[in-house]
Amino acid sequence: GNSVTQMEGPVTLSEEAFLTINCTYTATGYPSLFWYVQYPGEGLQLLLKATKADDKGSNKGFEATYRKETTSFHLEKGSVQVSDSAVYFCALSAPYNAGNMLTFGGGTRLMVKP
Amino acid sequence: DAGVTQSPTHLIKTRGQQVTLRCSPKSGHDTVSWYQQALGQGPQFIFQYYEEEERQRGNFPDRFSGHQFPNYSSELNVNALLLGDSALYLCASSLGGPAAGNTIYFGEGSWLTVV
Repeated sequence: GNSVTQMEGPVTLSEEAFLTINCTYTATGYPSLFWYVQYPGEGLQLLLKATKADDKGSNKGFEATYRKETTSFHLEKGSVQVSDSAVYFCALSAPYNAGNMLTFGGGTRLMVKP
Repeated sequence: DAGVTQSPTHLIKTRGQQVTLRCSPKSGHDTVSWYQQALGQGPQFIFQYYEEEERQRGNFPDRFSGHQFPNYSSELNVNALLLGDSALYLCASSLGGPAAGNTIYFGEGSWLTVV
């Protein structure tokens, strides 16, 4: 079946540091890949997505590249801010799986200190 | 443009009771999915409704049931509540039914505590 594995947190960084959150996946076929963010006390917000190999999703300074050869979709940001503190979820949606069902990783908590 | 709205925001129930959670999809969306997010974990897919029918179901027992109304809103019902059902229940909406790749939007969730 489909699965997503993320690096365990928490990840603690100082403001303006470089961020990488690793995500790898297992799926049949060519899934679409997503990063969602969950701020304290809120629901999930779509951060970025990529629907085919070598696509780069980007939003709000975050980016991730769909790497089929390594089955990865690592999230990066060049300079984090305190306001980026949240839980980040990597997810996939497999095209053969009618229902547009998302399979999520366990989440990675990011804490950014001033 | 209203996003996905859920009610109630928080509720507390006793073991064995039944609960109903409600969801209105984002304006223009016709597909509703429900997810369960236990504390400290990623969301897990419960089921999806499209054209008032359950189209896809995750690994959840029959105690979890749902409904979609003609206006596309949806309800999640959980019977015979267990302590392990305590979680954040997220509703998500999208357009066009079971077609992968359509952007999915989430509500802020309903926090259920079972005591």
